[in-house]
Amino acid sequence: DAGVTQSPTHLIKTRGQQVTLRCSPKSGHDTVSWYQQALGQGPQFIFQYYEEEERQRGNFPDRFSGHQFPNYSSELNVNALLLGDSALYLCASSSPGGAGVYEQYFGPGTRLTVT
Amino acid sequence: QKEVEQNSGPLSVPEGAIASLNCTYSDRGSQSFFWYRQYSGKSPELIMFIYSNGDKEDGRFTAQLNKASQYVSLLIRDSQPSDSATYLCAVNLEGGSYIPTFGRGTSLIVHP
Repeated sequence: DAGVTQSPTHLIKTRGQQVTLRCSPKSGHDTVSWYQQALGQGPQFIFQYYEEEERQRGNFPDRFSGHQFPNYSSELNVNALLLGDSALYLCASSSPGGAGVYEQYFGPGTRLTVT
Repeated sequence: QKEVEQNSGPLSVPEGAIASLNCTYSDRGSQSFFWYRQYSGKSPELIMFIYSNGDKEDGRFTAQLNKASQYVSLLIRDSQPSDSATYLCAVNLEGGSYIPTFGRGTSLIVHP
């Protein structure tokens, strides 16, 4: 049973560029959430996708956008990169249904460095 | 401001001892509570979740929830050097929310 997968593992970009990160959820999961984790901090929620729609969004600017595909995989796009966007980007998938309480499982993350 | 608070540590315990990690949260309506372990440079790994008041045991791990006092704790019995990691507490702060809010994590060091 494949867990959550993310690509790429590492990425180096220059300020002002755009980046796309990819995530495939754990088999049987239909909900994907994205998080940003800066060094020494807990993960900060960016947004969540369910049934190909953004269900909830955290306190992140519009430069951060996403998409979910019919196979439940997801992309995170960040435009006009800033130095402060350097972080570990985590994708998490959760149990079917999405209603009520549930558990999230994280992928290995993408380490983004903006120079 | 709805928050999840953890002592950043580090918490240092000898091998074989009980490690006790604590977490407090601000919203009385919270219903779901999670503990994640994160090794340096790796992603968080879910190790325990608890929804009801009281204790929940899984192997060497015990999660304790006290909703009246708004805290959740994680006990690790017979601590091993391989338990050395950062432990993240996550709470679904609003009843029915799908989004857990994470604390900053507590660094645990188990020394031989």
